[in-house]
Amino acid sequence: DGGITQSPKYLFRKEGQNVTLSCEQNLNHDAMYWYRQDPGQGLRLIYYSQIVNDFQKGDIAEGYSVSREKKESFPLTVTSAQKNPTAFYLCASRLRDRGYEQYFGPGTRLTVT
Amino acid sequence: GNSVTQMEGPVTLSEEAFLTINCTYTATGYPSLFWYVQYPGEGLQLLLKATKADDKGSNKGFEATYRKETTSFHLEKGSVQVSDSAVYFCALSEQQETSGSRLTFGEGTQLTVNP
Repeated sequence: DGGITQSPKYLFRKEGQNVTLSCEQNLNHDAMYWYRQDPGQGLRLIYYSQIVNDFQKGDIAEGYSVSREKKESFPLTVTSAQKNPTAFYLCASRLRDRGYEQYFGPGTRLTVT
Repeated sequence: GNSVTQMEGPVTLSEEAFLTINCTYTATGYPSLFWYVQYPGEGLQLLLKATKADDKGSNKGFEATYRKETTSFHLEKGSVQVSDSAVYFCALSEQQETSGSRLTFGEGTQLTVNP
């Protein structure tokens, strides 16, 4: 079955450590996105990538970094510079030129103490 | 810039009641409109969409009509079930590949349906 996988489901880290969240899709989608969700709030865009080896900052990119070396993969690194990293992180993808809806993975809940 | 405003929650209904969740938007261009649903601890699932004025999106008994004159996309269901309990998000996307077609979300509305 085609879909988007995010791993792990739950992640715990100590303050000051960088951590990388995985996002993989086998939908052959061109564009991929990372969102952050905080309790009781909507989703905010961190980074997005429309093609391999290219990505753009979203609304809250500070303290995060990404790479897009393969079409299927769009990992997100939460660095120690991110002041409030505890959140639910959602990855999404979209097939360009075939509509504007995005399809989401199951999410990773990151807790930093 | 773009923005989406959703009816504040939480909303609590009895089973078989009628549901309306209001959504209005502000957009610089001509957006596509979406409703997503999120069950506890999960990602978002696309519920329905509409891409032009007067389009009606529908799925699983839910409906929403793209109203350009009132910039609205209200979600409705005639008879809710306990299994509809979830958080519902209204969202829009500019229909422009050059801007990355990013989604702008409302804050979400928590729906609880009691038996």
